[in-house]
Amino acid sequence: NAGVTQTPKFQVLKTGQSMTLQCAQDMNHEYMSWYRQDPGMGLRLIHYSVGAGITDQGEVPNGYNVSRSTTEDFPLRLLSAAPSQTSVYFCASSYRKSRDTEAFFGQGTRLTVV
Amino acid sequence: EDKVVQSPLSLVVHEGDTVTLNCSYEVTNFRSLLWYKQEKKAPTFLFMLTSSGIEKKSGRLSSILDKKELFSILNITATQTGDSAVYLCAAVNAGNMLTFGGGTRLMVKP
Repeated sequence: NAGVTQTPKFQVLKTGQSMTLQCAQDMNHEYMSWYRQDPGMGLRLIHYSVGAGITDQGEVPNGYNVSRSTTEDFPLRLLSAAPSQTSVYFCASSYRKSRDTEAFFGQGTRLTVV
Repeated sequence: EDKVVQSPLSLVVHEGDTVTLNCSYEVTNFRSLLWYKQEKKAPTFLFMLTSSGIEKKSGRLSSILDKKELFSILNITATQTGDSAVYLCAAVNAGNMLTFGGGTRLMVKP
C-alpha cells in the first residue's frame, strides 16, 4: 500500500540549478497538488491538478512548473532555483470533487538552495 | 481570497491538561474542514467535518464544526507527551482545493 510517494527526501541545489521533485500515487486519485511549508507556517498551495492533462496555479506558483501526463504522476519542476525556494515540499492527492475525502500526503522533500 | 486562521499560535501544557485549538475560515464554496497532526514529517489525517454541530471523536480527540459562525475546534483531553505536534486545519472548497491555516504548535510537558 504505497499511497503517495515523493522523491527525493532531501536535496541541496545551487542557485540557478534546475531540478524535478517527483510525486506518484497509486490510489487512482484525480486530484493532486503541491504545497510548500516554511518554518512556522502552514502549507501553501503551489500548483494543483484535477486530472490528467489539467493543471492550474495555486497561491504561490512563481518559479515552479508542473505537468500531469498520467493520473499517477505529478512532478514539480524548479527551473532556476533561488534561495527563497528553500522549503519543505509536500505532494498530496485526493478523490474527485464529488466525494468528501481527506487529502493524502507524501513524506515531503526538504530542499535547500544555497 | 480564501483564508484560514488558527489560534493560538503555540501552546505549552502539562500532561493531563485539556486543550482546545481553534480554526476559523472564510472560504468561497466551502465544502468540508480537515484536521491534521504533523510531527516531524507529513501531516497525518485526524478528522473531516462536513456538517455543523456533529462531534467527531477519536479516543481523547474530538472536533466539531460550526458552519454558521465559520469555525471549528479540536479538543484534546488528558494530554500526553505524544500529543506534542503541530495541528493543522484546512478548509476544502467545492473544487477540492485546500486552504491551510498556519497551524498551532502544541507542546505537552511531562
